[in-house]
Amino acid sequence: KQEVTQIPAALSVPEGENLVLNCSFTDSAIYNLQWFRQDPGKGLTSLLLIQSSQREQTSGRLNASLDKSSGRSTLYIAASQPGDSATYLCAGPTSGNTPLVFGKGTRLSVIA
Amino acid sequence: DAGVIQSPRHEVTEMGQEVTLRCKPISGHDYLFWYRQTMMRGLELLIYFNNNVPIDDSGMPEDRFSAKMPNASFSTLKIQPSEPRDSAVYFCASTRALSGNTIYFGEGSWLTVV
Repeated sequence: KQEVTQIPAALSVPEGENLVLNCSFTDSAIYNLQWFRQDPGKGLTSLLLIQSSQREQTSGRLNASLDKSSGRSTLYIAASQPGDSATYLCAGPTSGNTPLVFGKGTRLSVIA
Repeated sequence: DAGVIQSPRHEVTEMGQEVTLRCKPISGHDYLFWYRQTMMRGLELLIYFNNNVPIDDSGMPEDRFSAKMPNASFSTLKIQPSEPRDSAVYFCASTRALSGNTIYFGEGSWLTVV
């Protein structure tokens, strides 16, 4: 059964720092990968989707990469801001016709 | 589009009562998912539908849980009878296809069973 681990579980950084969030899968057979953001009391919002044929995706200050051979993904946030404070979750299916399996997330606090 | 709409947003009920959670997916999305989120277990898939047909309900914790999708614009998740351990946030999500498509979540239904 696919399991997703996100390290660290929580992270606190001063404003302006660059940071990396990690995601790993017990089964490296990952088809594609999505990173989500969840604000307190809210649902999940998709940030980046790395398609099966891609290795990375970028959106503004966010960059996500996927290494299928090792079953690992990273989310890089540049020049962090207090508004980036949220929980970040990664998720991926093991094939093109299976639903997403989620990690428990990394709770990020950016201190002004 | 208004996004995925869930109701109620918050519900407090007594143990043993029936709870019905509702979801309206985004129009044109063929897949609908019900997830449960707790601090201990994170986000767990309960059941998902494709074109209103349940595909995989292996995540439904026990027979007290049931889900239906009578048409493309409406789904329900029912718990009967409810127990305190059912307290969690229940999310509905939808997407056009499983492969390579963004999934959209509702705001969640926060359930407390006392």
